[in-house]
Amino acid sequence: GAGVSQSPSNKVTEKGKDVELRCDPISGHTALYWYRQSLGQGLEFLIYFQGNSAPDKSGLPSDRFSAERTGGSVSTLTIQRTQQEDSAVYLCASSLDLAGQGYEQYFGPGTRLTVT
Amino acid sequence: QKEVEQNSGPLSVPEGAIASLNCTYSDRGSQSFFWYRQYSGKSPELIMFIYSNGDKEDGRFTAQLNKASQYVSLLIRDSQPSDSATYLCAVNGGYNKLIFGAGTRLAVHP
Repeated sequence: GAGVSQSPSNKVTEKGKDVELRCDPISGHTALYWYRQSLGQGLEFLIYFQGNSAPDKSGLPSDRFSAERTGGSVSTLTIQRTQQEDSAVYLCASSLDLAGQGYEQYFGPGTRLTVT
Repeated sequence: QKEVEQNSGPLSVPEGAIASLNCTYSDRGSQSFFWYRQYSGKSPELIMFIYSNGDKEDGRFTAQLNKASQYVSLLIRDSQPSDSATYLCAVNGGYNKLIFGAGTRLAVHP
């Protein structure tokens, strides 16, 4: 079946502009995650959505970052007033997230964000 | 602070050899463990997961978990040049949030 999809694949923006990144999870997956990966670095957790529960926002680096998930499916990560240090690959993942099983996360292809 | 530690490498092995990738974690309550492969410029790809102590085999890959020692490893038998990638260890950090190690770069040379 279809995997996790993300758009755009690449985004170049000027410092100070707002950007929106989109993630469409695997159908039937209730959990959705956003991560950030800077060049040559590991994965940094940003935010986690599970069903109708309040999202875990503990990884968001500043209040310029926000995310929403509408209808339990598609998610949008918004970065306001972008800074050069926001340049990274933004990865979305989804999982079944069933108690005792299905915790495996599957990643989308990512959005490469470059702030000039 | 929950941590997942991996040797950054590169780990260089000849084609056909066994590659052994290691990972330690700090949270003794962790229950789920994952290995991802990431080719340069690509997103991570799940290759193995293990929930119970012992070994789990899938083709040329074997994951080994020792909860008492807080240690998880990945063995790749008959290593191929196409296995050259960065291997990320990830541990369930509560509420299904994964804590990732920084990754070990594996280079398989002909």
